[in-house]
Amino acid sequence: QVLLQESGPGVVKPSGTLSLTCAVSGPSITATKWWGWVRQTPGKGLEWIGEIYHSGTTKYSPSLKGRVTISVDKSNNHFSLILTSVTAADTAVYYCAARPASVGVDAYDMWGQGTRVTVSS
Amino acid sequence: DIQMTQSPSSLSANIGDTVTITCRPSETISRYLSWYQQKPGKAPKLLIYATSTVHSADPSRFSGRGSGTDFTLTISSLQPEDFATYYCLQSYTIPWTFGQGTRLDVK
Repeated sequence: QVLLQESGPGVVKPSGTLSLTCAVSGPSITATKWWGWVRQTPGKGLEWIGEIYHSGTTKYSPSLKGRVTISVDKSNNHFSLILTSVTAADTAVYYCAARPASVGVDAYDMWGQGTRVTVSS
Repeated sequence: DIQMTQSPSSLSANIGDTVTITCRPSETISRYLSWYQQKPGKAPKLLIYATSTVHSADPSRFSGRGSGTDFTLTISSLQPEDFATYYCLQSYTIPWTFGQGTRLDVK
């Protein structure tokens, strides 16, 4: 059973850096899974941010590339999201998620509960 | 980016009804299509992946079909717990993109 739990500040100042962590309970972060981030806003709906494999291989949404970094911390069994130069448009509920790294299973089967981040001064 | 057009955007139905939600990608995505159910305040829950493989739903009531640019999710014999918002997701190409959602509520 994989359990994911997001944590991080609920408010970030404009032009600041959003930093979230997803703690993984159950398997090791080095399991054969991809670890990802998805956000949700009332206006744009669900938006895929990117994902990482424990080897360090990453995939990012081009619309956020240059501002987003996803990393893995093997010693603490968690992975993180950093988003720089935030604006009000980055206000959202952020979910971490996981999917098997198996051919044909390109879908997130485990999700954290989500954490709301507001960009505001 | 591949645009995912879901229809209808909202749907009212009765317990016991059968409903179908459609998802049309702007380009072919082979069978890289999954369906999610989301209830208010909760994370999305994977129902179906690879177009038709049921993950965590009653396979006797939830089914997915399609390929290319035309996909459907059918829910038969609607139960009270099925009233929620449903999303499709294409994982064929980066960036993965979601449909805008279909809200299913009780008539």
